[in-house]
Amino acid sequence: GESVGLHLPTLSVQEGDNSIINCAYSNSASDYFIWYKQESGKGPQFIIDIRSNMDKRQGQRVTVLLNKTVKHLSLQIAATQPGDSAVYFCAENRGGDMRFGAGTRLTVKP
Amino acid sequence: DTAVSQTPKYLVTQMGNDKSIKCEQNLGHDTMYWYKQDSKKFLKIMFSYNNKELIINETVPNRFSPKSPDKAHLNLHINSLELGDSAVYFCASRNVRDYFTDTQYFGPGTRLTVL
Repeated sequence: GESVGLHLPTLSVQEGDNSIINCAYSNSASDYFIWYKQESGKGPQFIIDIRSNMDKRQGQRVTVLLNKTVKHLSLQIAATQPGDSAVYFCAENRGGDMRFGAGTRLTVKP
Repeated sequence: DTAVSQTPKYLVTQMGNDKSIKCEQNLGHDTMYWYKQDSKKFLKIMFSYNNKELIINETVPNRFSPKSPDKAHLNLHINSLELGDSAVYFCASRNVRDYFTDTQYFGPGTRLTVL
């Protein structure tokens, strides 16, 4: 399943499928990006980050892709699990302060 | 061994009251933040603060004021509460001198309900 940035804030996928969450950022001078996961009733938690001198970074079951040309960031989650259900935020570093996107709610169906 | 903690977790109060939310971090970070998250989950930065500088988001009403008794604490005071102040407030911290990461660590949030 795939979301389209700020215009489709919900994404529903089947357990075991791969998920892609997209984010468009606005400031071409931003040099650092983070994906956060926020579970219900909790604060945002760091998932993975990437600096602007990279275009891909992999973690455990997650991959972040950065396309600076079109100012686009994506989070790929492999083999999505029920525990991945949450709201996902991208954030860009602007002069030392983070600016968050609107978030995408990921729902995993068993 | 909670990294960033906030109290209270829930706060229900009447319009016009004055209230405070406390935040503590034990990470040794030099910068702390307050965010407001509305019902649509949008996170908006309100303040960033280190021991040298307070940066205020100019859209934040002056009824909101951060107070830092020491480097590990940044409390949020709100005067004359209004219905529109109802939201979840998150504290976060970061070490700006950490070259390898600019990650902010968030507290669990305080849900404020103004009646």
